[in-house]
Amino acid sequence: DAGVTQSPTHLIKTRGQQVTLRCSPKSGHDTVSWYQQALGQGPQFIFQYYEEEERQRGNFPDRFSGHQFPNYSSELNVNALLLGDSALYLCASSLFQREVDTQYFGPGTRLTVL
Amino acid sequence: DQQVKQNSPSLSVQEGRISILNCDYTNSMFDYFLWYKKYPAEGPTFLISISSIKDKNEDGRFTVFLNKSAKHLSLHIVPSQPGDSAVYFCAASRVTGNQFYFGTGTSLTVIP
Repeated sequence: DAGVTQSPTHLIKTRGQQVTLRCSPKSGHDTVSWYQQALGQGPQFIFQYYEEEERQRGNFPDRFSGHQFPNYSSELNVNALLLGDSALYLCASSLFQREVDTQYFGPGTRLTVL
Repeated sequence: DQQVKQNSPSLSVQEGRISILNCDYTNSMFDYFLWYKKYPAEGPTFLISISSIKDKNEDGRFTVFLNKSAKHLSLHIVPSQPGDSAVYFCAASRVTGNQFYFGTGTSLTVIP
């Protein structure tokens, strides 16, 4: 049973560039959430996708956008990169329910902005 | 505004002894709490959860205690093993929501 997978594992970009990160959820899961984890901090919620729509969003600017595909996989896009966007980006998957469900995390993509 | 706080960045414990990791939260609307363990270069791994209708939940060596009036939860690991050495995050959510709020983590070192 494949867990949550993310690609790429590492990425280096320069300020002003755009980046796309990818996530495949755990088998049987239909909901994908994205988190940003800066050095020394806990994961911060960016947004969540279900049925190809953004369902919830944390306190992140519009430069952060996403997409979910019919096979439940998801992309996170960040435009106009800033140095402060350097972080570990985590994808978590779960099964959409009326009540909260445990989220399972992928290994993350380490983004470095120079 | 940090709604979930882990005030101890690190903790060292002898193998076989009890490890106690603490977490405080400020939002009284939170009613579902989890602990995650994270090894370097890996994503957080779910460890144990508790809903606000309980004050204790056990799973093997791991027990989570919830004190709603104090807005405090703790994770007890007994007995601690060297393989438990990792960063532990607590997280909170509303039962009717799916957004998790994480603390900043506590790095646990279990000394053989």
